[in-house]
Amino acid sequence: QFLLTQPPSVSGAPGQRVTISCTGSSSNIGSGHDVHWYQQVPGSAPKVIIIDNSRRPSGVPDRFSGSKSDTSASLAISGLQAEDEADYYCHSFDSSLRGSAFGGGTKLTVL
Amino acid sequence: QMQLQESGPGLVKPSETLSLTCVVSGDSISSYYWNWIRQSPVKGLEWIGYIYYRGNTQYNPSLKSRVTISIDTSRTQFSLRLTSVTAADTAMYYCARAPNTALEFWGQGLLVTVSS
Repeated sequence: QFLLTQPPSVSGAPGQRVTISCTGSSSNIGSGHDVHWYQQVPGSAPKVIIIDNSRRPSGVPDRFSGSKSDTSASLAISGLQAEDEADYYCHSFDSSLRGSAFGGGTKLTVL
Repeated sequence: QMQLQESGPGLVKPSETLSLTCVVSGDSISSYYWNWIRQSPVKGLEWIGYIYYRGNTQYNPSLKSRVTISIDTSRTQFSLRLTSVTAADTAMYYCARAPNTALEFWGQGLLVTVSS
């Protein structure tokens, strides 16, 4: 259903490190299009936390990092905090859509 | 400070037209790609389309026959029009700004329900 595939959920204890994967195809990530990541807490709009694969906007803690390789990308969150509990979405341009493609979202639970 | 604010009816009847406006404040509407995105439990985040400040548009192929996005630079706002709505169009609708492909700024969202 989604052009970008994410795991439905991940979890980790406070202080731990978790990664969220985002798998695309040759029409999006594999074509060299950049990947962006968003954090969404319940009741709020998504907020961009990683731009262009690995760049953090001003104000985003350096605990958040992103990477990209071939047709996939990853978001890593280190030193987990309770406030990190949220839904996370990956996003890239898709050549077949000629527009934005999103992942289905990953719910992060901080144990 | 950059802000986007969606406005429009929260309830639309089936087969009618959904019309929403996004007011841009705190920065120029010139430059950038101005996007509409919607979110529902069934479809997740779904890109509807964008308009470049010069008026060029691109729409999601699945919605293209029903969507029109327009821009009014003098009033620093852009609009969404979605015709022949059904219950499947019930969603939270967001407007967002993108300098290239990243959606840097989002409005708070507007819940639109399609129901008679």
